[in-house]
Amino acid sequence: AQSVAQPEDQVNVAEGNPLTVKCTYSVSGNPYLFWYVQYPNRGLQFLLKYITGDNLVKGSYGFEAEFNKSQTSFHLKKPSALVSDSALYFCAVRDINTGGFKTIFGAGTRLFVKA
Amino acid sequence: DAGITQSPRHKVTETGTPVTLRCHQTENHRYMYWYRQDPGHGLRLIHYSYGVKDTDKGEVSDGYSVSRSKTEDFLLTLESATSSQTSVYFCAISEGSSGTDTQYFGPGTRLTVL
Repeated sequence: AQSVAQPEDQVNVAEGNPLTVKCTYSVSGNPYLFWYVQYPNRGLQFLLKYITGDNLVKGSYGFEAEFNKSQTSFHLKKPSALVSDSALYFCAVRDINTGGFKTIFGAGTRLFVKA
Repeated sequence: DAGITQSPRHKVTETGTPVTLRCHQTENHRYMYWYRQDPGHGLRLIHYSYGVKDTDKGEVSDGYSVSRSKTEDFLLTLESATSSQTSVYFCAISEGSSGTDTQYFGPGTRLTVL
């Protein structure tokens, strides 16, 4: 069965410092992996996705994520955090064999960036 | 929010009453989805649609029904609302159904069942 784990409920980082939001996954086949961000009272916004190819994926707002197949991880990173990055972040996975209908979301990680 | 609107944005209702939430898109995407968001659970798929009048169940479909009579509209109905259905409901759309297709989300509807 597919699953996604975001091991940290909350991540705190100072503005200007690098940030990492962790995600690990489990699928039976090859994964498609996604990161979304949710600002207060808003829907989820797409940040980036990994389909195939380069393990380092670059996305919106300066975010990037690194796919690590051996560790089954897809951590979200940003070299220098901004206060405006404070939000709720969701990792999601699809099994290549089941397609778009079965997207499994993690429980979310709340990021606080302190000025 | 990618040409997706949801109505109402907030609703308070009583146990046992029917409730219908509406999702409207202007993107002409074929696929539409209803999710619920609850603390500690992320988003869970309730129902999805792969075309007009074509719908199927997701992982938490009990107590919910859907209809899609036009490409742009996808309705979620709670036939008899219960307190366990208090949640934030999100509609999403995608152009295709392959694993590579990105889903785009509406702004959400906060539903409280008293």
